[in-house]
Amino acid sequence: NAGVTQTPKFRILKIGQSMTLQCTQDMNHNYMYWYRQDPGMGLKLIYYSVGAGITDKGEVPNGYNVSRSTTEDFPLRLELAAPSQTSVYFCASSLGTSVSYEQYFGPGTRLTVT
Amino acid sequence: GENVEQHPSTLSVQEGDSAVIKCTYSDSASNYFPWYKQELGKGPQLIIDIRSNVGEKKDQRIAVTLNKTAKHFSLHITETQPEDSAVYFCAAGAPGRRALTFGSGTRLQVQP
Repeated sequence: NAGVTQTPKFRILKIGQSMTLQCTQDMNHNYMYWYRQDPGMGLKLIYYSVGAGITDKGEVPNGYNVSRSTTEDFPLRLELAAPSQTSVYFCASSLGTSVSYEQYFGPGTRLTVT
Repeated sequence: GENVEQHPSTLSVQEGDSAVIKCTYSDSASNYFPWYKQELGKGPQLIIDIRSNVGEKKDQRIAVTLNKTAKHFSLHITETQPEDSAVYFCAAGAPGRRALTFGSGTRLQVQP
């Protein structure tokens, strides 16, 4: 089991560029999440998904989009990158709150927008 | 919605001392309280969790206590070691709530 994998590990974007952060899990988890962590701060939920084809907004969804076409993959799309999106992005997965609440996190993607 | 507050934001202890991190939550429906450890450059990792039907849980040097009446829970680390240095997050979960609500984190530094 690789768990939750994220690519790339690091990325520098120019203002206005777009990119997709990839997230894959091999634990057959229904729930997947995207968080951002600003320097010295906690985790803020961007988007989450409770299963293939179902996504919902979290606390800070503006400037981001997601899709969930398969159980395994949950990519996060940044359109028109802005300096405020400089952060570390974590993907996580979970069996689902009715069975197990535990969230498993990926290693993160460090994004800088200049 | 749920609100989780975590204190202190930073904590420095001498090796061998104990460390305590406290969290309060607002929603009485919350019944699951995990603690995550985040080492530098890595994602958070679950270290211990507790459900609302118990008041305390221990795992070697770490323990978590829960006071449902007061809506607070704490992480206790005894005999701290330099490798305990990390950021620790508390969180709260509830049936029907699809994501955990995280505290703002505590940076623990264990001085050798």
